[in-house]
Amino acid sequence: EPEVTQTPSHQVTQMGQEVILRCVPISNHLYFYWYRQILGQKVEFLVSFYNNEISEKSEIFDDQFSVERPDGSNFTLKIRSTKLEDSAMYFCASKVRTGLYGYTFGSGTRLTVV
Amino acid sequence: TQLLEQSPQFLSIQEGENLTVYCNSSSVFSSLQWYRQEPGEGPVLLVTVVTGGEVKKLKRLTFQFGDARKDSSLHITAAQPGDTGLYLCAGAPSGAGSYQLTFGKGTKLSVIP
Repeated sequence: EPEVTQTPSHQVTQMGQEVILRCVPISNHLYFYWYRQILGQKVEFLVSFYNNEISEKSEIFDDQFSVERPDGSNFTLKIRSTKLEDSAMYFCASKVRTGLYGYTFGSGTRLTVV
Repeated sequence: TQLLEQSPQFLSIQEGENLTVYCNSSSVFSSLQWYRQEPGEGPVLLVTVVTGGEVKKLKRLTFQFGDARKDSSLHITAAQPGDTGLYLCAGAPSGAGSYQLTFGKGTKLSVIP
C-alpha cells in the first residue's frame, strides 16, 4: 500500500532556530497538505499546495512558515524561527485529485521546541 | 469558523458490545470523513460520506451522514479489542474551492477483552 513518508520522526530544536520538516507524498498524488496537532488538541489545517503554489492557508500559517516542493518528490515545511508554542505533531497528507476524496496522512514529525 | 463536536469523548466497553459515536455541527459540510488514529501515528481514513442520508458499511462499522449534511455517526457492532483507538471525524466545508478539513477532537474508544 502506498505511503506518505515523513522525516524525521522526532525533532528537538532550540527556540529561535529554523527547522525543516520533510515529506515524500504518494507518487501520483497532486495535492499536498500540512496539518498539525498540539498534544491533547485536535488536528488543525495549516496549508494546502497544488501545482507548485499554495492554494489555501490558515491563520496559523503566518510569515514564519513556508512550504516548497524543491525536486518534484519532496514536500517540505519550514519554520523560520521556532517558538515554544510550535511544539506539536506535524502531519503531511496528500491526495490524488481535488474534490471529495480522503487524504493519506503520514506518520508525523513530533517537533519539540525547548 | 466551522466546528465539529464529537461525543462521547471517551468510551470504554466490553468486547462484543455495540456502540455509537457522534459527530455534530451547526454548519453544512460537503463531505465528512472518519479517520482512526493510533498513538504516535497519523490519522488513517476509514470512509468518506458525501450525500445527505448516505449510509456506508465497512465490515462491523456503519457510517451515516445526516440528511442535512451537518452530522454523522459511526456505529460499531460487536466491538473487538482491535477496534481500540481514537476515532476522528473531519468535514470539508460546503462551497466551492476549499477542501481543507476541520477535525473534531475525537472519541477515544477502549474495548476491554
